[in-house]
Amino acid sequence: DADVTQTPRNRITKTGKRIMLECSQTKGHDRMYWYRQDPGLGLRLIYYSFDVKDINKGEISDGYSVSRQAQAKFSLSLESAIPNQTALYFCATGNRAGGWEQFFGPGTRLTVL
Amino acid sequence: EDQVTQSPEALRLQEGESSSLNCSYTVSGLRGLFWYRQDPGKGPEFLFTLYSAGEEKEKERLKATLTKKESFLHITAPKPEDSATYLCAVQEYSGYALNFGKGTSLLVTP
Repeated sequence: DADVTQTPRNRITKTGKRIMLECSQTKGHDRMYWYRQDPGLGLRLIYYSFDVKDINKGEISDGYSVSRQAQAKFSLSLESAIPNQTALYFCATGNRAGGWEQFFGPGTRLTVL
Repeated sequence: EDQVTQSPEALRLQEGESSSLNCSYTVSGLRGLFWYRQDPGKGPEFLFTLYSAGEEKEKERLKATLTKKESFLHITAPKPEDSATYLCAVQEYSGYALNFGKGTSLLVTP
């Protein structure tokens, strides 16, 4: 079984819809992150969380919100999706007891029409 | 100005032809430099972390090195299964994000 799971893996939605992307991990890590990947722009950090009560904005948080429901679960919401939020979204985890490396999930391909 | 610049953008090698990928970075205080491999449609796969100049890490045909301004990923006698995009990322002491370069797309032909 995969250590980091993302659902859904693919999603097509319309402008203005609310969308939630979910991430679950069985690695026992305390840190969790959300990134988006766009062609030509690379990976950029949206939000990160170091424990259930800790939520921090990343470089591109506008238009997004997150919820850390448990140590193993971190959800990303798009309150009102717009076409320029079409991208690949990745969840990542990190272990405070280890180094600073991050371990990525398989990604969600989101298309906003 | 990009913090992380990777070169070349694309590289085509024949099987067994060794080469190096470059990652140049500009940060005020480097906490760590990370190399990842990404296959099409998949999430980045962690390869190495380097923390200080002079450090080297090896894994199978890959070897990563670090200086104060750049890192190299050396690929020795590559095989077709090494074909992927290789991403470099840096993390500064002032933050927690990994700042990624745009990657080098490597194709190894038989």
